[in-house]
Amino acid sequence: ETGVTQTPRHLVMGMTNKKSLKCEQHLGHNAMYWYKQSAKKPLELMFVYNFKEQTENNSVPSRFSPECPNSSHLFLHLHTLQPEDSALYLCASSQGGQGGNNEKLFFGSGTQLSVL
Amino acid sequence: ILNVEQSPQSLHVQEGDSTNFTCSFPSSNFYALHWYRWETAKSPEALFVMTLNGDEKKKGRISATLNTKEGYSYLYIKGSQPEDSATYLCAFTLNTGNQFYFGTGTSLTVIP
Repeated sequence: ETGVTQTPRHLVMGMTNKKSLKCEQHLGHNAMYWYKQSAKKPLELMFVYNFKEQTENNSVPSRFSPECPNSSHLFLHLHTLQPEDSALYLCASSQGGQGGNNEKLFFGSGTQLSVL
Repeated sequence: ILNVEQSPQSLHVQEGDSTNFTCSFPSSNFYALHWYRWETAKSPEALFVMTLNGDEKKKGRISATLNTKEGYSYLYIKGSQPEDSATYLCAFTLNTGNQFYFGTGTSLTVIP
């Protein structure tokens, strides 16, 4: 157990559906992240929240919409996705802070998303 | 885009063999180098975080070294065991922001 819980573990959705991924951490961390893992590619950062403020948005299409209501919870709202969005979506957390990062990331188990 | 290169992509070794992998990263504005182990159907788990040139970290049979001037890190596994089978990811961070730049990983299979 890493202290980071993601739900659901698997999700199949059509291109017109709206769904949400949920992440919760019980580590008292202040930074939370969404990563995308596509086959044969490096982990790709999507969004970072630090003290509930979004600090990074890596040119992610607007069909992905993050929400961080508090330091323990992070959501990724999905709508009108494309088949190429099928991937493993990983949530992570770290202690958080300003500038530089030698803190370990603690990952959830991921949501395997298939878009039909 | 900042590239992190890991080699080899995959590796099969016999139980008891020692092995090592490489992570190459851009050396400018470097802050920290991370190694993670990712077992199938589990979460990536942090092994080491290193910041200083010449740093060496050890955890049981696994150790890592860091050269920030030339931009590389080695991960060594001594006497590989089947439970070491996993993908080993490295990532580096800059001295600003919260961005972790990951490599594609080295997939290790230890054959009993």
